[in-house]
Amino acid sequence: AQSVAQPEDQVKVAEGNPLTVKCTYSVSGNPYLFWYVQYPNRGLQFLLKYITGDNLVKGSYGFEAEFNKSQTSFHLKKPSALVSDSALYFCAVRDNIGTYKYIFGTGTRLKVLA
Amino acid sequence: DGGITQSPKYLFRKEGQNVTLSCEQNLNHDAMYWYRQDPGQGLRLIYYSQIVNDFQKGDIAEGYSVSREKKESFPLTVTSAQKNPTAFYLCASRKDLYEQFFGPGTRLTVL
Repeated sequence: AQSVAQPEDQVKVAEGNPLTVKCTYSVSGNPYLFWYVQYPNRGLQFLLKYITGDNLVKGSYGFEAEFNKSQTSFHLKKPSALVSDSALYFCAVRDNIGTYKYIFGTGTRLKVLA
Repeated sequence: DGGITQSPKYLFRKEGQNVTLSCEQNLNHDAMYWYRQDPGQGLRLIYYSQIVNDFQKGDIAEGYSVSREKKESFPLTVTSAQKNPTAFYLCASRKDLYEQFFGPGTRLTVL
């Protein structure tokens, strides 16, 4: 069965410091991986995706993610955090067996301290 | 403006009532999804539809029903059979084979 794990419920980082939000996945075959961000009482916004190609994927708002096949990870990163990055971040994997279902992690709350 | 709209933003349900949550999109996307979000549990799939007049159950379909009569619309009915419906409900549509686009959500509370 396909699954996604976000091992940290919360990540705290000082403004200006680099941030990492972790995600590991389990899927048979090639993974289709996504990161979304959610602000309070809002829907999810798409940040970036990995389908194939370069392991470093660049996305919106200065975020990037590194796909590591051997470690089955897809960690979200940003070189310099902003207070406005404080939000709930979700990692997701899409199935590759034709049902086009998405499995979401439980989310990681990022808090950037001024 | 292209996008996904959900209404109402807040909804209150009495015990034993059925309520319907609206989801409309003008993105011309074929696929649409309904998720339920509870604190600490991420998003759980209720129903999804790949094309008009077709839909499939997700992981937590019990107590919910949907219809897909038009490409633009995918309403979700929360029936009285759903014993714990208080949650944040998110509708999404899918572009091509990849990312989903989400609506702003409806917060349902049982009184």
